[in-house]
Amino acid sequence: SAVISQKPSRDICQRGTSLTIQCQVDSQVTMMFWYRQQPGQSLTLIATANQGSEATYESGFVIDKFPISRPNLTFSTLTVSNMSPEDSSIYLCSVAAGETQYFGPGTRLLVL
Amino acid sequence: GESVGLHLPTLSVQEGDNSIINCAYSNSASDYFIWYKQESGKGPQFIIDIRSNMDKRQGQRVTVLLNKTVKHLSLQIAATQPGDSAVYFCAENWSGGGSNYKLTFGKGTLLTVNP
Repeated sequence: SAVISQKPSRDICQRGTSLTIQCQVDSQVTMMFWYRQQPGQSLTLIATANQGSEATYESGFVIDKFPISRPNLTFSTLTVSNMSPEDSSIYLCSVAAGETQYFGPGTRLLVL
Repeated sequence: GESVGLHLPTLSVQEGDNSIINCAYSNSASDYFIWYKQESGKGPQFIIDIRSNMDKRQGQRVTVLLNKTVKHLSLQIAATQPGDSAVYFCAENWSGGGSNYKLTFGKGTLLTVNP
């Protein structure tokens, strides 16, 4: 399976600011995804990061709040904009190998 | 103090016992299922998968059982070890003829292995 890294691994941010999370894969992949995992809960898909076109967002998530870039087949970023304490979560990127998805280590975000 | 939002089902077993973790999935059209293990501070790790044309699949110390009639999935871990302590998630996918790769995750179960 692909090796996936995320930066930063964790951060503490002030409300009203924005944070950009990076996801790097060691091989070219077609499908990349961003998930949110709120404290003690399961994973919720935010969006599919499409290379060369706009991301596809799930219900309840919008581009203004979670802008995503996918400049090539090995890299993507997720920005959490105008943060509030409710955005405190683990943010995870994943890549698809066929139907199977493999996950990065996650970015742990605390918003004060 | 109480952890707000922490309401995972829990399973506590003794080291060496067998563990069974259950999952009820939601979409009767789902045709692919995965079990993930998430240790504290880490991302979910793939354990084993199964397609809907099978009802059982075995891996190393793990077995997944699928009952499509009642939309139920289970993960059996043999000879559970302290290193198996983690949250376990099931995930389902409906391939939609090959174009849909989105996974829907279950709530998760916290497995604690007592030495």
